Parts: sequence; structure tokens; C-alpha cells
Amino acid sequence: DQQVKQNSPSLSVQEGRISILNCDYTNSMFDYFLWYKKYPAEGPTFLISISSIKDKNEDGRFTVFLNKSAKHLSLHIVPSQPGDSAVYFCAASPLGFGNEKLTFGTGTRLTIIP
Amino acid sequence: NAGVMQNPRHLVRRRGQEARLRCSPVKGHSHVYWYRQLPEEGLKFMVYLQKENIIDESGMPKERFSAEFPKEGPSILRIQQVVRGDSAAYFCASRLSTDTQYFGPGTRLTVL
Repeated sequence: DQQVKQNSPSLSVQEGRISILNCDYTNSMFDYFLWYKKYPAEGPTFLISISSIKDKNEDGRFTVFLNKSAKHLSLHIVPSQPGDSAVYFCAASPLGFGNEKLTFGTGTRLTIIP
Repeated sequence: NAGVMQNPRHLVRRRGQEARLRCSPVKGHSHVYWYRQLPEEGLKFMVYLQKENIIDESGMPKERFSAEFPKEGPSILRIQQVVRGDSAAYFCASRLSTDTQYFGPGTRLTVL
């Protein structure tokens, strides 16, 4: 039972363009959402998060959008750079748990084409 | 400035053997989490520990799995009598207070 879904296993984007990674969730108890980035042979690295009381959070080139009614969030990277090539995981945690007890999606492999 | 260390990075066990996975958190971090990633799935929470205490083990299988985080030394995830279905990548994460979780590189367990 995959409660956090990333339906695109891979995505290729031209350098300089916008990368949009999508994530859907099914558990209505989730209220805190995070994006992690993972390089091969390394652990996931935190990128950006959003609480359910917001619909947008921005940090430099990274913006996360949350649509609670659709149970959908997305990560926008603009402009995309070669170093952004990695696997991106969406994660969620239940009400009251903040950034603990995370449930992750299966990941989307992003490739930035120079 | 060492991050989260996990060892071994790869572990092969035969069915029925025991697997011990070690996690050394970031220096000064007293909160440790273990996650498991089965093939074709996302990471799933297993257990949350603070020094000498299990805070939340709601994600741990009821049998054969145990975890500890002693006062001194690394956190240990122990799997007794391993079965093929235990083959997965096991990730440890640590954090300080309300900070974000920092993940280790994982241990890939293969059960023959």
C-alpha cells in the first residue's frame, strides 16, 4: 500500500529549463511534506519542506507547491542545472509528527541534459 | 565533520542467520531513525530511538526485528533468522532537536 506516490520514475530536462516533479498522497493524516534528493551510494539529503497550512514554499531555485484538496504536491526547480541530476523523493509525515516518521515515495530520477 | 555513518554498506546473509546493522549518528545528535526500502518501493519508517530509549517502533515488524541505541556506541538494528523478504536497503537517519533528519548511505542486505 503505497501511501506516497511518484508516478514518473524518470524525467529528462534541458539545462536552464524548469524541472517539475510530482507527488500524490492518499493518507489524509499527512500534514507535513518534504523533498529529498539522493545521489548514488549516498543517503537522501533534505531539500525543502512545506506544512499543510501553506500552499507554497520557496528556497532559492526550489519551490514546493501543495494542493491539499487534490492531495498533490510538486517540486519546481528553475533554472535546472547539471548538478541537479539525482533521484528525488517526496516524503510525508502525519499530523503532529513534524519531520518525523516519514513515508517516502518511490522516487523520480531527474536527468539534466547539458 | 562526519555525517551519519552506516556499516557494513553491503551485507550478505543466508536464510536463518542474524544480521546486525550499525549506525553512528552525526556527533551530538541524540535522535536516530531507521528506515527500510524494499525493491521498487519508497523508504518506510521503522523505528525512532533516543539514547537508551525506543520512542516509536510502530513501523517495526513484530517478530525478529529489534533496535537499540545505547548510551555509548552506535545504534544497532538487529534482524534474527533472516528470510528472503528481509532483503532491502536499510537507512539510518539522525537529527538534533527539531532539526531535519540527516541520512546515512544505507546498508544493502541480501538474503540468500
